[in-house]
Parts: sequence; C-alpha cells; structure tokens
Amino acid sequence: EPEVTQTPSHQVTQMGQEVILRCVPISNHLYFYWYRQILGQKVEFLVSFYNNEISEKSEIFDDQFSVERPDGSNFTLKIRSTKLEDSAMYFCASSPIAGGLGTQYFGPGTRLTVL
Amino acid sequence: AQSVTQPDIHITVSEGASLELRCNYSYGATPYLFWYVQSPGQGLQLLLKYFSGDTLVQGIKGFEAEFKRSQSSFNLRKPSVHWSDAAEYFCAVGAPLSGGYQKVTFGTGTKLQVIP
Repeated sequence: EPEVTQTPSHQVTQMGQEVILRCVPISNHLYFYWYRQILGQKVEFLVSFYNNEISEKSEIFDDQFSVERPDGSNFTLKIRSTKLEDSAMYFCASSPIAGGLGTQYFGPGTRLTVL
Repeated sequence: AQSVTQPDIHITVSEGASLELRCNYSYGATPYLFWYVQSPGQGLQLLLKYFSGDTLVQGIKGFEAEFKRSQSSFNLRKPSVHWSDAAEYFCAVGAPLSGGYQKVTFGTGTKLQVIP
C-alpha cells in the first residue's frame, strides 16, 4: 500500500539555523499539508498546498516558514531561523483530488529538536 | 471555525473489555469526521472516516464509530480491546473548502491504557 514518507526521522539543530524537512507524498495525490505536534499537545494545522501554491495557512505559519514542491515527488517545509519553540513533531500529509473529499494520509513525522 | 472536543484525556480498560472513546465536534455543516491512532513515537494512522451515508462506520483493527448529528458526536468503539490497542487516539473534523482541499482540526487526544 502506498504511503507518505518523511525524512529525516529526527533532526537536531541549533537555534537560529535553517532546517528543511522533506516529505514524499503518495504519488497520485495532489493536495499536500504540513501539521505539527508540540510534545504533549494536539496536532495543529500549519499549511495546505495545491497546484504549486499555498491554499491556506494558519497563524503559526509565519514568515519563518515556507513550503516548496521542488520536483514532481518531494514536498518540503523550510524553517529559516529556528526557535526553541519550533521543537515539535512535524507531520506531512497528502490527499487525492477526489473532489476534495480525499482522506489525508499522514507520514510518520519528523521530530525536530532545537537546542 | 470547526472544533473537536475529546473530554477524556486518559482511559484505562482491561484487556477483553469494551471501549468507547468520546468525541464531540462543532461545525456548521455536515462534517467530515476521522479517527486516527498514534502509537508512541509513530505517525498518525487512519482508523476510520465518515463523509456521508451510513452513520455507523467500520474501520480497521475492529474499530467502529457512530455519527450522531443530534448530539454532534462521533464516538469510537471496540467490543473487545487488545493490549496492542494501547495508544493515543485522535478525533478530527475536516472542513471542505473551495478548491477541493480541506483543513483538518484535531482534538487533544485520548490516551488509552490497556491492563491485563
């Protein structure tokens, strides 16, 4: 069964550094998403992406964040200058076009630790 | 804006006992409802979903959920819990938006502990 994959599984970085989290969505999906889960808290929506542009973003997704689909398979989340409070599990998700009723399938997550 | 409430933060059940995890949602129209499970250190796995039609939906691993519009609820049930069901369970509501995508809002989760 096809699945969403994410790399790396764990990223440790120093505060102020840039990080890029990578995701490979399911191949025939067209809608892509990033969520994050701070330890002990609920999963929060960050951004949705379709047709090479952001369709919606939350208030968390400020100018430090950006997303990109650099090629036909990868979907990346970049944090330009990491802060301690960016430490969280970041989940990528994708869904098929299916009239927008597609279920979002989640990747295993990348645990980001900012020191 | 949609929201999800999971009133039980932590539930403990004995192996073989039945289980019901509560979920209430708030949304102005017919919602898309989901239950996801997260094992420690793992990602989110879809258990089941409700979009329309039969209000009792069957999922994987023997789980089912019932959509009750009058109560704005989507409770998850399992008749006999196995030790491997110990995990955190998230109820979620998806709001369809123009352009076809949807924003999924998660509840705070319920941690299930299974005792022998």
